[in-house]
Amino acid sequence: EDQVTQSPEALRLQEGESSSLNCSYTVSGLRGLFWYRQDPGKGPEFLFTLYSAGEEKEKERLKATLTKKESFLHITAPKPEDSATYLCAVQAWGRGGSNYKLTFGKGTLLTVNP
Amino acid sequence: GAVVSQHPSRVICKSGTSVKIECRSLDFQATTMFWYRQFPKQSLMLMATSNEGSKATYEQGVEKDKFLINHASLTLSTLTVTSAHPEDSSFYICSVEEETQYFGPGTRLLVL
Repeated sequence: EDQVTQSPEALRLQEGESSSLNCSYTVSGLRGLFWYRQDPGKGPEFLFTLYSAGEEKEKERLKATLTKKESFLHITAPKPEDSATYLCAVQAWGRGGSNYKLTFGKGTLLTVNP
Repeated sequence: GAVVSQHPSRVICKSGTSVKIECRSLDFQATTMFWYRQFPKQSLMLMATSNEGSKATYEQGVEKDKFLINHASLTLSTLTVTSAHPEDSSFYICSVEEETQYFGPGTRLLVL
């Protein structure tokens, strides 16, 4: 069974204080690893997809990296508006068909104080 | 990416009644839509995969007679929670897959 574990559960940073969020996973054949941002009371907003170990993606202050066992979401010089829950999900190659389910972690609640 | 809407955004109902939630793909013809449920401080859990013109595929442990899914067109899927009970209170979110999954804004269901 696919599993995703995110750490820490919650993280408080001062504005400008860089840090990283961790996503450890076990999956039977990784099709893709996804990062989403979720604001309170809203649906997840897509950030990145990573497909193979060594791949990196960047968007503004966020950078996602991938190894064979984990992914990191690096946040450089965060701002208060980066406060949100960050979700990691994996998608495995299925045994048949074309629909591949996402397995999510519980997320990391990031709070950036001004 | 695909733009997805949901209606209603919030619904309160009495125990024993049925509630219908709509999920619309606004700019993408989706043969498949996904329905998730999220309890407070928990991860999103896939409930079912909705297939246009055919029966939905339910995840293990999800009662198909309680959570009725109808995917009547390439832009609309509906989830009906039948005979809702307080334990069904949750945040219901749908998604469509266009290379990656894009999610709707969610529907907060509160059953009294």
